[in-house]
Amino acid sequence: DIQLTQSPSSLSASVGDRVAITCRASQSVGSHLNWYQQKPGKPPNLLIYSASNLQSGVPSRFSGSGSGTDFTLTISSLQPEDCATYFCQQSSSSNSFGQGTKLEIK
Amino acid sequence: EVQLVESGGGLVQPGGSLRLSCAASGFTFSSYAMSWVRQAPGKGLEWISAISGGGVHTFYVDSVKGRFTVSRDNSKDTLYLQMYNLRTEDTALYYCAKEGQEVGPSYFHYWGRGTLVTVSS
Repeated sequence: DIQLTQSPSSLSASVGDRVAITCRASQSVGSHLNWYQQKPGKPPNLLIYSASNLQSGVPSRFSGSGSGTDFTLTISSLQPEDCATYFCQQSSSSNSFGQGTKLEIK
Repeated sequence: EVQLVESGGGLVQPGGSLRLSCAASGFTFSSYAMSWVRQAPGKGLEWISAISGGGVHTFYVDSVKGRFTVSRDNSKDTLYLQMYNLRTEDTALYYCAKEGQEVGPSYFHYWGRGTLVTVSS
């Protein structure tokens, strides 16, 4: 089974900051890595698919990069509405999720 | 507009059974794989099962193999999850999710709002 480890588990940043969340896979997943945003009481929302493709309707301040085992979700300029928990997910071998990163606004 | 509406959750005793349903609309249901993903209270996401668009291929996480069965009725645009021998650790909000393609590595494109399953005596 492929394990995904996200770091940090939580972070606090200010509006306008550049924020990066990393996801490391226990073995290569190629580019089969996706990112989701989840707000309290809501289902997850797809942000990035296939490592670097921005889902339609998602603000361009979100971007994804990486391949193989190391991936990054970057928010270029943090906005108040970005307060949420972020999950990575791999689909290279079955499916699995990272443990999540809780992002708070200072 | 894609809509996924789960139903069938509730309170069940350990060892009991439950069948979840997910009614889909707004897309050609048979053309897409579907998955069930659960989230225990205050915890992260856990993928538990998937089924290809035609229903031929099914997949499960190890913790539910032999206890859960995924199926779909493409004539009714409905996804199912039959759960047997439920355990307290199965307590979670169960989401159905539309995948990005009929079969193969993909992403969870759309999600329902979930149905809550509570396993407790």
